[in-house]
Amino acid sequence: QPVLTQSSSASASLGSSVKLTCTLSSGHSSYIIAWHQQQPGKAPRYLMKLEGSGSYNKGSGVPDRFSGSSSGADRYLTISNLQSEDEADYYCETWDSNTWVFGGGTKLTVL
Amino acid sequence: EVQLVESGGGLVQPGGSLRLSCAASGFTFSSYSMNWVRQAPGKGLEWVSYISSSSSTIYYADSVKGRFTISRDNAKNSLYLQMNSLRAEDTAVYYCARTCAGGVCQGSDYWGQGTLVTVSS
Repeated sequence: QPVLTQSSSASASLGSSVKLTCTLSSGHSSYIIAWHQQQPGKAPRYLMKLEGSGSYNKGSGVPDRFSGSSSGADRYLTISNLQSEDEADYYCETWDSNTWVFGGGTKLTVL
Repeated sequence: EVQLVESGGGLVQPGGSLRLSCAASGFTFSSYSMNWVRQAPGKGLEWVSYISSSSSTIYYADSVKGRFTISRDNAKNSLYLQMNSLRAEDTAVYYCARTCAGGVCQGSDYWGQGTLVTVSS
């Protein structure tokens, strides 16, 4: 089954951009993933579906500041013009024939 | 508006049982597969179980296999998770999430607000 690897933390300044990475395990580099945002004390929120080609489809109401891209086994979430409300945990998710998998999450701090 | 509302959480002793429910509205529930996902205090998300739209396909994480049972009632727009032989490590917020439709998956695209299950004596 696939494994998703994320850095545990990241930080960037208000108004800047940040690129978060989710890496698929060997043999699973073509997999589609989804990105989710979880603000403190809240339920996760779906951000987008991201394919290996780099094509992405965002969820309802997700700001234009959020975008996705891919390179090999890496899936990226880029947040532009960082806002204070972007400080959150970000999780990637993928699925296989009989299992669903989440990455360990990246805690994003907005400085 | 898509809404998922979980209920049924609470405090239960080790070895006990609990049944969680998830009430769905704002979409054609019978067309979508559903997941249960949990989050232990201060930890990340962990997938628990999946059920297809017609209940014909069901999967479980190894950590709950043989103890938890997922089910749904499409007539009532409801999803369930029967949890037996509960352990301290099952303590978590449990979320229901909408997933695939018509064989097309784009991840868990809507989440409920979660219900807290605490297993403790």
